[in-house]
Amino acid sequence: GENVGLHLPTLSVQEGDNSIINCAYSNSASDYFIWYKQESGKGPQFIIDIRSNMDKRQGQRVTVLLNKTVKHLSLQIAATQPGDSAVYFCAEIRGDYKLSFGAGTTVTVRA
Amino acid sequence: NAGVTQTPKFQVLKTGQSMTLQCAQDMNHEYMSWYRQDPGMGLRLIHYSVGAGITDQGEVPNGYNVSRSTTEDFPLRLLSAAPSQTSVYFCASREQGGDQPQHFGDGTRLSIL
Repeated sequence: GENVGLHLPTLSVQEGDNSIINCAYSNSASDYFIWYKQESGKGPQFIIDIRSNMDKRQGQRVTVLLNKTVKHLSLQIAATQPGDSAVYFCAEIRGDYKLSFGAGTTVTVRA
Repeated sequence: NAGVTQTPKFQVLKTGQSMTLQCAQDMNHEYMSWYRQDPGMGLRLIHYSVGAGITDQGEVPNGYNVSRSTTEDFPLRLLSAAPSQTSVYFCASREQGGDQPQHFGDGTRLSIL
């Protein structure tokens, strides 16, 4: 069964607003997490990652938060732009280095 | 660098036909893997390889074979295609070490009639 899942399959956000995409995982042994962005007709593209010894990591306009107590991962996108419209996946690396993906959240940015 | 290159981009097969999906990477990555992506199910690991000459099964390996004769190439073979194998297939590679992000190709869209 799946170890990683996303709370909502779709998210609609106004251009310029902040987006928050959530992900729950069940394997407490996971030690590395990745967020991917997938545009239509393309493969997943790496956005940002975080290791289990961290609770926050920031990139360019993106922040990933990790709450190990409740096994929750989130991706925050600041000032959402039309180019942010895509499917977003969270993924976890377990001890055997196999990547496990959630089903994805489709983000639609409204002009 | 081209990254991860998959061919063909689209393919239609009849049930029972065989074919090979090609994957090549030019980043000298040791680790390569194949996933299938179906609606509402995310990506599922089919097979993976930690280096030339070494392959192992993922979570959905049945109906697929792989080989890794070189570091660059990791072909996926469907021996006898079935409609249940209609999917989008992604190849990925990364450097050694579990905490390294994977680089994906743009996928092969496969339909089995």
